[in-house]
Amino acid sequence: AQKVTQAQTEISVVEKEDVTLDCVYETRDTTYYLFWYKQPPSGELVFLIRRNSFDEQNEISGRYSWNFQKSTSSFNFTITASQVVDSAVYFCALSEDRGSTLGRLYFGRGTQLTVWP
Amino acid sequence: NAGVTQTPKFQVLKTGQSMTLQCAQDMNHEYMSWYRQDPGMGLRLIHYSVGAGITDQGEVPNGYNVSRSTTEDFPLRLLSAAPSQTSVYFCASRSEGQGLDYGYTFGSGTRLTVV
Repeated sequence: AQKVTQAQTEISVVEKEDVTLDCVYETRDTTYYLFWYKQPPSGELVFLIRRNSFDEQNEISGRYSWNFQKSTSSFNFTITASQVVDSAVYFCALSEDRGSTLGRLYFGRGTQLTVWP
Repeated sequence: NAGVTQTPKFQVLKTGQSMTLQCAQDMNHEYMSWYRQDPGMGLRLIHYSVGAGITDQGEVPNGYNVSRSTTEDFPLRLLSAAPSQTSVYFCASRSEGQGLDYGYTFGSGTRLTVV
């Protein structure tokens, strides 16, 4: 079973629309980390955010915000007033903190976001 | 600049050829790993290492070998390339700290095509 599920394969929006990218994860650990990465057309992986399992505070960074809910095992990412430069593939990832899988980073399959002008 | 350096950035191989993808980091991280990225599959772990002399298999290890003789370097070897190994490869290292220090640094990727 996938540890990280990004159900949305592709999303298209028009500039200035808000868009939410969903991420659902699965783990038995009590200590874990969640990540979001952006992969623009140039191909590199750009780190956006890290959240540990003990910090459920939502975070806002400019037009980006993240909603972490342990009750639903979700870590959703919202872009407000989207721009063409937001067009990219976005990955959600999970890192567990127990012995057998310590350090491994499990990725979702990614969501391709296209923002049209 | 500190970070993870991957070489080459692009490579075309013929089926059956061998090659080594290089990965080096200068952050003194013990943990290093290799991922491959295929369309619609996200990134999948090939091999990883928790320190010099210690390596282990990830999710998709077949067809790849690794070794870790130094903390800095973690090369990935393809002994006999196959078209199924056409992919984008990422090397990553992980800091050992907790909290704000915990995180992964990725290389810029190697795009490999096997014909």
